[in-house]
Amino acid sequence: EAQVTQNPRYLITVTGKKLTVTCSQNMNHEYMSWYRQDPGLGLRQIYYSMNVEVTDKGDVPEGYKVSRKEKRNFPLILESPSPNQTSLYFCASSLRTGVQPQHFGDGTRLSIL
Amino acid sequence: GENVEQHPSTLSVQEGDSAVIKCTYSDSASNYFPWYKQELGKRPQLIIDIRSNVGEKKDQRIAVTLNKTAKHFSLHITETQPEDSAVYFCAASRPGGYQKVTFGTGTKLQVIP
Repeated sequence: EAQVTQNPRYLITVTGKKLTVTCSQNMNHEYMSWYRQDPGLGLRQIYYSMNVEVTDKGDVPEGYKVSRKEKRNFPLILESPSPNQTSLYFCASSLRTGVQPQHFGDGTRLSIL
Repeated sequence: GENVEQHPSTLSVQEGDSAVIKCTYSDSASNYFPWYKQELGKRPQLIIDIRSNVGEKKDQRIAVTLNKTAKHFSLHITETQPEDSAVYFCAASRPGGYQKVTFGTGTKLQVIP
C-alpha cells in the first residue's frame, strides 16, 4: 500500500531534550516536506526536499533541522525543543516536485513541556 | 514570498445547498493550486487541483475555478452532504528552483442535515 509513515504519532517531552520525528514513504517520491498545523494558522511548511541531499527552508524553519540521505526518508529534528514547538506535524511527499499532489502522513502530535 | 488568503474561516450550509470557498494568492508565478480536505483527526487529502493553464475543473459535485488575472481561485461544492463536513485548505506553489508550498488558513465547513 502506498503510504507516508510518521513516527511517533504522539510524543510528550520536555524543553531542551533533542527529538527526531521520522518520515518514510514507499512511493519513490522525490519531493518531501514537513508542515506544522496550528489552530487558525493552517498548514505552514517547515522544510522541503526536492531530492537526496537537496533541502530548503519553508516558511517556519527556525528551531528545526532536516536531512535527506536516502530518497525514502526525511526526518525532522528538534535539537532543543521549546514549548512554542508544541503542534501537530505532518510529513508529505509528491512524485517529483512541489507543483504536484502531496500525500500526507497521519501526523505527529508533539507536546513540549 | 507567496501569501495565500482563504475565506471564510467557517461556513455552515444546509444539506443540499452549495458551498463556496475562496482563496487569493500573491505570487503571479504560482501555477499549481490544489485543494485538500481534512476530516477531524485525519490527514489532509487532495480532493481536486487546477493548473494555471486551465480556468475550471470539475469532478462530480466538486469544481474549482481559477482567475489568473485577479489571482484568485475558488472551490465549489454542490448538493452538499453531511460527509462533506470537514476543514478545507487551498494551496499554491510555483515551478522552478524554489518550490515552497503555501497553504491558506483553512475553512471549517459544517453541513447541517
